[in-house]
Amino acid sequence: AQSVTQLDSQVPVFEEAPVELRCNYSSSVSVYLFWYVQYPNQGLQLLLKYLSGSTLVKGINGFEAEFNKSQTSFHLRKPSVHISDTAEYFCAVSDRNTNAGKSTFGDGTTLTVKP
Amino acid sequence: NAGVTQTPKFQVLKTGQSMTLQCAQDMNHEYMSWYRQDPGMGLRLIHYSVGAGITDQGEVPNGYNVSRSTTEDFPLRLLSAAPSQTSVYFCASRPDGSGANVLTFGAGSRLTVL
Repeated sequence: AQSVTQLDSQVPVFEEAPVELRCNYSSSVSVYLFWYVQYPNQGLQLLLKYLSGSTLVKGINGFEAEFNKSQTSFHLRKPSVHISDTAEYFCAVSDRNTNAGKSTFGDGTTLTVKP
Repeated sequence: NAGVTQTPKFQVLKTGQSMTLQCAQDMNHEYMSWYRQDPGMGLRLIHYSVGAGITDQGEVPNGYNVSRSTTEDFPLRLLSAAPSQTSVYFCASRPDGSGANVLTFGAGSRLTVL
């Protein structure tokens, strides 16, 4: 079984400030890790993913995330946010060990960037 | 345009009515899935399919049926709608069952059950 906990349901931040969205996961098997973004009235789209290798992964729009195996975390960061980053962000995990790897999502974090 | 197409975008039903949410993809993806999104609860997996003729239950399958007769289509059926099924529904696909692959999402279908 897998679970994903996003530690902040809402994160307000001023434009050009740094931001961190926190994600912890629990799983009895090895997993792949993802961050997706959902803009208003749209479906989800991929920000970045961790499959293997370097624990620091870079994604689109200047976002990056660091996989910490000992902490079972995958926090998302951006050094300077823009108004256009206002959206809902979802952390997700997928099972590595099957050919039907179900994806489990966190409850989401709403990032609001203020001018 | 390549991608996942969901219809309808909006639907209002009365309790007890039935309906089908349509999902079609033109990327030749083997894996397709349905999620529901509710405020504060993220996305929860309803049903999924790893190929034509193969379906399985996800986290919240009760009240929903699916079938996969072709690679392209994966309809979600509500046989007797209940207010608890008011939600936004997303269809998502990926090339195969491997969890390493990224999900491609449709734009969503907003369902209200009165």
